Amino acid sequence: GQQVMQIPQYQHVQEGEDFTTYCNSSTTLSNIQWYKQRPGGHPVFLIQLVKSGEVKKQKRLTFQFGEAKKNSSLHITATQTTDVGTYFCAGGDNFNKFYFGSGTKLNVKP
Amino acid sequence: GAGVSQSPSNKVTEKGKDVELRCDPISGHTALYWYRQSLGQGLEFLIYFQGNSAPDKSGLPSDRFSAERTGGSVSTLTIQRTQQEDSAVYLCASSLWLLAGETYEQYFGPGTRLTVT
Repeated sequence: GQQVMQIPQYQHVQEGEDFTTYCNSSTTLSNIQWYKQRPGGHPVFLIQLVKSGEVKKQKRLTFQFGEAKKNSSLHITATQTTDVGTYFCAGGDNFNKFYFGSGTKLNVKP
Repeated sequence: GAGVSQSPSNKVTEKGKDVELRCDPISGHTALYWYRQSLGQGLEFLIYFQGNSAPDKSGLPSDRFSAERTGGSVSTLTIQRTQQEDSAVYLCASSLWLLAGETYEQYFGPGTRLTVT
């Protein structure tokens, strides 16, 4: 069955350092969504990528969707303590079913 | 406006009992999803609804799990004869779903934390 793998599982950075999390799908995706979950909270939507090779930016966050629509990345420049949380990718198929990655837990040391 | 609500927020039940979890999606959202999240883990897809119909039930872990949605709004997830491995946070999400092939952001509820003792 379809799987979405996400690495790394954990990332500890010093405030100001950059952070990247990667997602890889075993099959071609229709789209990919990214979510952030703060400790004790529920996932909150960050962005959706649909087009092959698409790159979107939100302030310090840069999202990429691979040319083959099988991988994606989220890069945070100059992390802040407010970036702490778990970041999930969710790959969507053609039938609006989403496969979530296992998440990358980011810890930022001040 | 109001977001996705779920009830109860916490449920402790004895092994073997049935439980019913409720989700109230955002008004006007035609798509509704159920996920399960075990402690420190990712989200496991269970089922989704387009309106009142569930095109894909393949994520339900066993025949003890069932879900329904009536009136294109409220959904209930029922777990019969609960087992300890059913302990998890059950998250519901809703989204717009206007056109085939179009997807929209999912708005998650706060979840129901289920503990089976």
